Parts: sequence; structure tokens; C-alpha cells
Amino acid sequence: AQSVSQHNHHVILSEAASLELGCNYSYGGTVNLFWYVQYPGQHLQLLLKYFSGDPLVKGIKGFEAEFIKSKFSFNLRKPSVQWSDTAEYFCAVNSYDMRFGAGTRLTVKP
Amino acid sequence: NAGVTQTPKFRILKIGQSMTLQCTQDMNHNYMYWYRQDPGMGLKLIYYSVGAGITDKGEVPNGYNVSRSTTEDFPLRLELAAPSQTSVYFCASSYSLSSAGHDNEQFFGPGTRLTVL
Repeated sequence: AQSVSQHNHHVILSEAASLELGCNYSYGGTVNLFWYVQYPGQHLQLLLKYFSGDPLVKGIKGFEAEFIKSKFSFNLRKPSVQWSDTAEYFCAVNSYDMRFGAGTRLTVKP
Repeated sequence: NAGVTQTPKFRILKIGQSMTLQCTQDMNHNYMYWYRQDPGMGLKLIYYSVGAGITDKGEVPNGYNVSRSTTEDFPLRLELAAPSQTSVYFCASSYSLSSAGHDNEQFFGPGTRLTVL
């Protein structure tokens, strides 16, 4: 069965720092990849998604992610985080069903 | 366009009680899903449906039941609540089924926070 691993449970950054959240999956076939964000007390919202084409995907709020097929990875990046980026971030992988990672909690200090 | 709506937002149950979590979507999506979210565990799929009258088990179906009589509604039922069912429950829907190569982005409802005491 496919699985999704998010390397960091909790990341704490200062404003303007750069962010990279790791995501690896285990599935050898064709996959669709997602990053969702959950702000405190809210539901999951889509940040970005990859289906095909350019492996560098740009999403909302300045986030981007790069699909590296050889590494089974889909890491999320942002060059300069803001306090409002404080949230929990979930990587998800979809082949025959959707599997979510355990999530990474990001705290941005003002 | 309200998207995916869920009721109630919060609920406290006693052990052994039953309840139904409601989920409605107005996007005419055929595919609907129920997840539970536990701290540090991500989201786990409970049940899903590919259309009215068709449902199937997900990763963690024990203790739950679902039905799908219309395209819009996908209620989740807990028959005998147990403390292990304390969780946040999310309903989601998508245009296409979870299969690679198609836009199968899932849209999520606001969630129901359930506590079983």
C-alpha cells in the first residue's frame, strides 16, 4: 500500500526565513500529489497540486513544490515565511486512493 | 456555492450513544469521502462513495456506517460511540475518482469535532 512520510513534525521559524517541508511517498506507479494547509480552527485548503507536466508547481500565497520522481519526493518551499503562514501542512498522494502524511506544524514567530 | 458543509460543528457523546454526522455538497460531485483526523496521524479514510447508492470501506471503517441516497448527501453514522472515536471528522468531495492522471482534487468541509466521554 502506498504511504506518505513527512519528515518534520513541528517546524519553528522566524518571519522572513525560508521554508522547506519534506514529503516522500512510497508508490511506484503514476501519482497525483497535493499539499494542503489547515489554519488553526479551519478546514483543509489546497495549496498546490501536481498531475503532470512541469515538476515545479506554484501554488497560492507564494508556495511552490518540486516533484522529483527519482526520489519519490514532493517538497514544499517558500522563500520568505510570514506570521500568517502559521498552520499545519499536509502532503497527500493519490494513485488509486488518497493518502495523507501525518502533517507538519509550522509556527512562524513575528 | 457553499461547497461542502457539515453539521454539527461540535458534539459531545456519552459512551454507547449514537449519532449521525451530516455532510452535503453542492458541486455535483459524484465522489465523496469521510476522514477522521487525530493529532500527529494525519487524515485516515473511513468510507467513501463513488455515487448515489454506492459506498465502500476505507482504511478505518470499524464502528461507522454510511449511506448515499442522493448525490448531495453523505451522512456518517456512529452506532455505539466509543472513546476511541473522539476525533475531528472531515467530509470531502471530488469531481473525479482518486486515480492518477485526472484532476481529483478533494474539497473539504469545515469538520465536526466529536468527543466521546
